[in-house]
Amino acid sequence: AQSVTQPDIHITVSEGASLELRCNYSYGATPYLFWYVQSPGQGLQLLLKYFSGDTLVQGIKGFEAEFKRSQSSFNLRKPSVHWSDAAEYFCAVGHNSGGGADGLTFGKGTHLIIQP
Amino acid sequence: GAVVSQHPSRVICKSGTSVKIECRSLDFQATTMFWYRQFPKKSLMLMATSNEGSKATYEQGVEKDKFLINHASLTLSTLTVTSAHPEDSSFYICSARGGGFTEAFFGQGTRLTVV
Repeated sequence: AQSVTQPDIHITVSEGASLELRCNYSYGATPYLFWYVQSPGQGLQLLLKYFSGDTLVQGIKGFEAEFKRSQSSFNLRKPSVHWSDAAEYFCAVGHNSGGGADGLTFGKGTHLIIQP
Repeated sequence: GAVVSQHPSRVICKSGTSVKIECRSLDFQATTMFWYRQFPKKSLMLMATSNEGSKATYEQGVEKDKFLINHASLTLSTLTVTSAHPEDSSFYICSARGGGFTEAFFGQGTRLTVV
């Protein structure tokens, strides 16, 4: 069975500082990998995804993530955070069913706090 | 990207009643829809997968008689919580896949409160 681990429940970063959110997955083959952001009471917004090809993926809002097969990781990074980045971040893995990504398995999320 | 609309965004119902949540793909045909549940400060858990015109496939531990899923058209799936109880209170989110997209797109979610 596939699983996702986000080891950091909370992370506090100063505005303007760099950010890295960790994500490790367990999956038998090359998975589909996603990062989503969720503001309180809201749905999910896709930041970026990895299906195949270049292991460094660029997303929206200045985020990027790197797929490292040897480490089973897909860490999310941003060089300089803004106060508006404060939110809950979820890493997710999906199975390639041939027609696209199946239902996703999510990590428990990392709550990002931005200090002024 | 594509747009998925979920309705209502919030609903309060009395214990013992049923409530229906709609998930619509607005600008593409959704061959597959997914329903998730999110407990407060918890991750999202996949409840079921539905393909248009077929019965939904439920994840282990999800009561199919309590959470009725219908995917009768390529743009609409519904989740009906039957005989709701306070423990069914949660945030329910749908996603839809189709239209040549590899990934599914998420709705805004529905906050269900059972009193």
